[in-house]
Amino acid sequence: NAGVTQTPKFRILKIGQSMTLQCTQDMNHNYMYWYRQDPGMGLKLIYYSVGAGITDKGEVPNGYNVSRSTTEDFPLRLELAAPSQTSVYFCASSWRGEKLFFGSGTQLSVL
Amino acid sequence: ELKVEQNPLFLSMQEGKNYTIYCNYSTTSDRLYWYRQDPGKSLESLFVLLSNGAVKQGGRLMASLDTKARLSTLHITAAVHDLSATYFCAVPRAQETSGSRLTFGEGTQLTVNP
Repeated sequence: NAGVTQTPKFRILKIGQSMTLQCTQDMNHNYMYWYRQDPGMGLKLIYYSVGAGITDKGEVPNGYNVSRSTTEDFPLRLELAAPSQTSVYFCASSWRGEKLFFGSGTQLSVL
Repeated sequence: ELKVEQNPLFLSMQEGKNYTIYCNYSTTSDRLYWYRQDPGKSLESLFVLLSNGAVKQGGRLMASLDTKARLSTLHITAAVHDLSATYFCAVPRAQETSGSRLTFGEGTQLTVNP
């Protein structure tokens, strides 16, 4: 099992550009999450999903969108990137909200 | 609003010493999670504490939960350099299924010196 796979690992965007962070898991987990981690800080929840077709906002959803068309995939879309979105993004999954399994992260810089 | 506070935020200790990291949270929860993050890496689950009085041990680490005091501790025994990492506690929002939305503490950056 690969676990939770995120791509890309690094990305530099210009202000106003858009991109999609990809996340896929092969553990048949029903819950999936997107978190962001700013330097020296804990994680903030952006969006989460409790199953295919169901998504909901977390603490810091502004500037982001998600979709969950399959159990395996949970992409995060950044529209009109802003410097405030410079962060490390982690995707995670769990079975019914128990222990989270994290991907390796995407380091994003918006310049 | 649920707040999760850890202290200390930075901890430098010598090998062989003992120390405790504290995690306080502001609203009722009957479970708490501890994660470890190595520099530049992802988070790894350490312990899942599921009830009041729960105690979990793994290697030189032991975690406990007091839901009445809204407090969890992560105790380090005879620290070794390999324990150097950032440790996070996380608490689910009240009235929600376990882990559906976790609030993380700021993390405790632990450095173990020879």
